[in-house]
Amino acid sequence: NAGVTQTPKFQVLKTGQSMTLQCAQDMNHEYMSWYRQDPGMGLRLIHYSVGAGITDQGEVPNGYNVSRSTTEDFPLRLLSAAPSQTSVYFCASSFGSAGSIGYTFGSGTRLTVV
Amino acid sequence: TQLLEQSPQFLSIQEGENLTVYCNSSSVFSSLQWYRQEPGEGPVLLVTVVTGGEVKKLKRLTFQFGDARKDSSLHITAAQPGDTGLYLCAGAEGTYKYIFGTGTRLKVLA
Repeated sequence: NAGVTQTPKFQVLKTGQSMTLQCAQDMNHEYMSWYRQDPGMGLRLIHYSVGAGITDQGEVPNGYNVSRSTTEDFPLRLLSAAPSQTSVYFCASSFGSAGSIGYTFGSGTRLTVV
Repeated sequence: TQLLEQSPQFLSIQEGENLTVYCNSSSVFSSLQWYRQEPGEGPVLLVTVVTGGEVKKLKRLTFQFGDARKDSSLHITAAQPGDTGLYLCAGAEGTYKYIFGTGTRLKVLA
C-alpha cells in the first residue's frame, strides 16, 4: 500500500515558470487537500477537494490551481511561479471528514523559486 | 479563519524529563488532532479528541481537550530521543477543513 505519493521530491523553478506538483493516493479516499509549510507558520491550506469534480479554496489559494478528475489524483498547478511560493508542499487525504481517523500525508515537495 | 497558537515554539530537554505542549485558540473546535512530523516527512496522526474534557493516553503521551473545546495539551512523560520532532495540533473548521497550529519543535537529548 503506497498511501499518498507526491512527485517530485525537490524542484527549483525560475520566476514566471509554471509547473504541476503531482499527488496520488491508492486508498480510495474521497477527501484530498494541499498544504504549504513555511517556518513558523505551520501548515496552511491551499485548496481541497471532497470528491472527483469538486474543489474549493483554502486559506492561501492565490497563484495555485487544482482539478480533481479522478478519485486518485489531485495535482496542484503553479501558473507563474513567484519567490513567495518557495515552500514545502504537502498533499493529504482522508476517508470522509477525517474527524476520527485523521489525514494521511505525503512526504512533501520542496520547491524553491529563484 | 480560526487561529491555533502553540507554545512553546521550541523545547530542548534531557532524556527522562517531562514536558507539556499547549495548543490554544479563541474559537471552539468540534474536534482536535495532534500530529508528529519528522524531518523530510509529512505529519503523522497521533490522536483525535472530540469531547470537551476528554483525556487520551498513548503510552507515555497524554492528550487533553479543554472543557470548552478551545484548547488542548500534550504531556510527555520521561521523554526519549525518539520523541524528537515537530508536534502540530489541528482543529476542525467545518466538516472537512482542519486548521493547523504553528508547531512545537521538540529536541530530546540523550
